[in-house]
Amino acid sequence: GAGVSQSPRYKVAKRGQDVALRCDPISGHVSLFWYQQALGQGPEFLTYFQNEAQLDKSGLPSDRFFAERPEGSVSTLKIQRTQQEDSAVYLCASSLIREGGELFFGEGSRLTVL
Amino acid sequence: AQSVTQLDSQVPVFEEAPVELRCNYSSSVSVYLFWYVQYPNQGLQLLLKYLSGSTLVKGINGFEAEFNKSQTSFHLRKPSVHISDTAEYFCAVNPLARQGAQKLVFGQGTRLTINP
Repeated sequence: GAGVSQSPRYKVAKRGQDVALRCDPISGHVSLFWYQQALGQGPEFLTYFQNEAQLDKSGLPSDRFFAERPEGSVSTLKIQRTQQEDSAVYLCASSLIREGGELFFGEGSRLTVL
Repeated sequence: AQSVTQLDSQVPVFEEAPVELRCNYSSSVSVYLFWYVQYPNQGLQLLLKYLSGSTLVKGINGFEAEFNKSQTSFHLRKPSVHISDTAEYFCAVNPLARQGAQKLVFGQGTRLTINP
């Protein structure tokens, strides 16, 4: 497809379970971002990749959150030992590497932790 | 650090009426400015952006925004709204950064509801 694809679209996890969220960026997009959007809030930055290099992970809320992009394309956001406060929509975005370049967002993965 | 304040959490408007969604930002460095729209159960879509040049920026779907540096504002306007404009609108800033990293800081969002 032509857009950013995320899976699963919906995930329900029991507290303490590990989850993995996948992002397929637009082909050729060097930059990839993860954002967390809590209910009724704006998206908040989690982490940023340029190709396979994770250049900024300052937004990851705890060491339970881990992201990777081993081949510079598909990325996975992993959350270990999920907590209720992790419930949110996780948005992935990709862009060409240039200043002012548009971010293209996926539809998000909605995580509900019971 | 940068912050974005969207002054209205909800804006109800009648169809064909004009609308303004307000956005103020705070930053110690120059920024790029963006408005994104989010339809229900969808990702964010870029409406328009200000990088430099003319302070009046035109975007998709008839929206426009004006950058006011002295007031640190970037309000979004549309002269006549349609039912299909019902959505959540997010203002965002990106501090001018090296290597083009688009680390956007978003506002809380404004829910625009168009009534017939």
